[in-house]
Amino acid sequence: EPEVTQTPSHQVTQMGQEVILRCVPISNHLYFYWYRQILGQKVEFLVSFYNNEISEKSEIFDDQFSVERPDGSNFTLKIRSTKLEDSAMYFCASTGTASSYEQYFGPGTRLTVT
Amino acid sequence: GDSVTQMEGPVTLSEEAFLTINCTYTATGYPSLFWYVQYPGEGLQLLLKATKADDKGSNKGFEATYRKETTSFHLEKGSVQVSDSAVYFCALSDIGAGTYKYIFGTGTRLKVLA
Repeated sequence: EPEVTQTPSHQVTQMGQEVILRCVPISNHLYFYWYRQILGQKVEFLVSFYNNEISEKSEIFDDQFSVERPDGSNFTLKIRSTKLEDSAMYFCASTGTASSYEQYFGPGTRLTVT
Repeated sequence: GDSVTQMEGPVTLSEEAFLTINCTYTATGYPSLFWYVQYPGEGLQLLLKATKADDKGSNKGFEATYRKETTSFHLEKGSVQVSDSAVYFCALSDIGAGTYKYIFGTGTRLKVLA
């Protein structure tokens, strides 16, 4: 069964460093998302991406964040200068069509900023 | 804005007990509703969904009915097993309001004792 994959599973970085989280969505999917979950809190929407541009972003997704689909398979989330409060689990999701309600989630990347 | 409210956890039950996890929502449009499950160390898996009022989603013995009059989507299972121990998230997607993002509840941790 096709699945969304994410790498790395755990990333430890120092405050102020740049990190890139990688996702490989399901191959024929067109809509891509990033969410985050701070430990013990709810899963929060960050950004959606379609046709090589951002469709929607939340207030959390400020200038420190960017997304890219550098090739036909990867979807990345970059944090330019990490802060302690960026420590969270980051989930990638994808869906096939605009009318498809179900998003398929990856296993997540745990980001720890020290 | 749209929101999802879930009952606080953790919920601790004995095997074969009846489970209810309450979920209510507010939405400006006509949302689709979902229950996702997160097993320890894993990502989010879709458990069931309902896309319109009075729809009943069901999977693996779990059920939830989309109640527009009470804006609720409570998760139920008649007889829980130890393997059902996980965190359960209620979510909505308000595509009718022009957005594809999911809005999640805070999650409810279920622990089932043998």
